[in-house]
Amino acid sequence: GESVGLHLPTLSVQEGDNSIINCAYSNSASDYFIWYKQESGKGPQFIIDIRSNMDKRQGQRVTVLLNKTVKHLSLQIAATQPGDSAVYFCAENIPNTGNQFYFGTGTSLTVIP
Amino acid sequence: EPEVTQTPSHQVTQMGQEVILRCVPISNHLYFYWYRQILGQKVEFLVSFYNNEISEKSEIFDDQFSVERPDGSNFTLKIRSTKLEDSAMYFCAHTSAGNTIYFGEGSWLTVV
Repeated sequence: GESVGLHLPTLSVQEGDNSIINCAYSNSASDYFIWYKQESGKGPQFIIDIRSNMDKRQGQRVTVLLNKTVKHLSLQIAATQPGDSAVYFCAENIPNTGNQFYFGTGTSLTVIP
Repeated sequence: EPEVTQTPSHQVTQMGQEVILRCVPISNHLYFYWYRQILGQKVEFLVSFYNNEISEKSEIFDDQFSVERPDGSNFTLKIRSTKLEDSAMYFCAHTSAGNTIYFGEGSWLTVV
């Protein structure tokens, strides 16, 4: 199957600092990407999405960057807070696959107060 | 974020027993999904359901699995004869025309 991978399995940041979580995807045909946050024992929570016709999208304290040339996706969290501590997944949607998503293994973000 | 309700939140079952996991998604959404996540591993696609029939399914979704929407509201995943390796968190999800998938809180299945 297609793979979606994350460069760093764990990330620790100081409260107030910015966090950057990276993701590599392998299928150049993927046209839609979502970042999810998952807290322990809970379901994936939608954070932000981006389509392949964009290279940047901003939300509240979060920014997603898409570099299609190198098939790389990143999630930037500004002014990281303790409540941001969780596992973050990127997921890609490949056209004509019945709207299913392929998930990466996740990066665990720990915010140090 | 649209709410997806799943029951039970946690179920322990003996190997070989049948299990039914239930989901109540937003009724006007088009696609429904089941994903699973084995402890410590990534979220994996099982099946998508559109217009009351299976749209896509993965290799994981073998003959032991089935899905249905019996009353037009509840969306169920049935595992006929559970195996130890079926122990996982099972997530129901749904989407409307915009493709964004929203997940429920999951049903944690433990097979002993």
